[in-house]
Amino acid sequence: GENVEQHPSTLSVQEGDSAVIKCTYSDSASNYFPWYKQELGKRPQLIIDIRSNVGEKKDQRIAVTLNKTAKHFSLHITETQPEDSAVYFCAASSRSNYQLIWGAGTKLIIKP
Amino acid sequence: EPEVTQTPSHQVTQMGQEVILRCVPISNHLYFYWYRQILGQKVEFLVSFYNNEISEKSEIFDDQFSVERPDGSNFTLKIRSTKLEDSAMYFCASSAGTGSYNEQFFGPGTRLTVL
Repeated sequence: GENVEQHPSTLSVQEGDSAVIKCTYSDSASNYFPWYKQELGKRPQLIIDIRSNVGEKKDQRIAVTLNKTAKHFSLHITETQPEDSAVYFCAASSRSNYQLIWGAGTKLIIKP
Repeated sequence: EPEVTQTPSHQVTQMGQEVILRCVPISNHLYFYWYRQILGQKVEFLVSFYNNEISEKSEIFDDQFSVERPDGSNFTLKIRSTKLEDSAMYFCASSAGTGSYNEQFFGPGTRLTVL
């Protein structure tokens, strides 16, 4: 079955700098890759997603890149702000599955 | 904006007791899911449900677990005989289409504490 690895587990960056979180997946049939942000004690919320027919997607300060050959995808946050502090999860699913397989999460800390 | 809702927000129970966690998915959604998240760990898939039957389930979803859509709005997760290791946050989610290519919207979660 699918396995999603996520790195790093914790990332501390200076406010205003960029943050990059990386994920790899094992199942070449996976074709949908969402990123969720979870603030402490709250529900996961989708911040961006990418489908396998696209290599890159951007939404203001957030971008996601996908390399299907290498089976990895990354989240990029530019001009980080204090409110970006949260745990970020990547996930993967395929057209044949209903379930999302999640990475272990990255705790992003934005230092003032 | 419509949201998935869950009740209760926190459930404390004794080991061996049955619990029912309740969810109201977004009204026009057709696919429903339960996930759990043990404190500090990743979110884990439990089960998906479509057209009044289970579509997929994980290894975690054993005979102690069951799901039901008792009416047109509620979606429940029952744990028959709770164990200490069932303590976790349980999230319900729903989507308009299949898991792939359709955003899953999450409820606020029910924190289950088994003593």
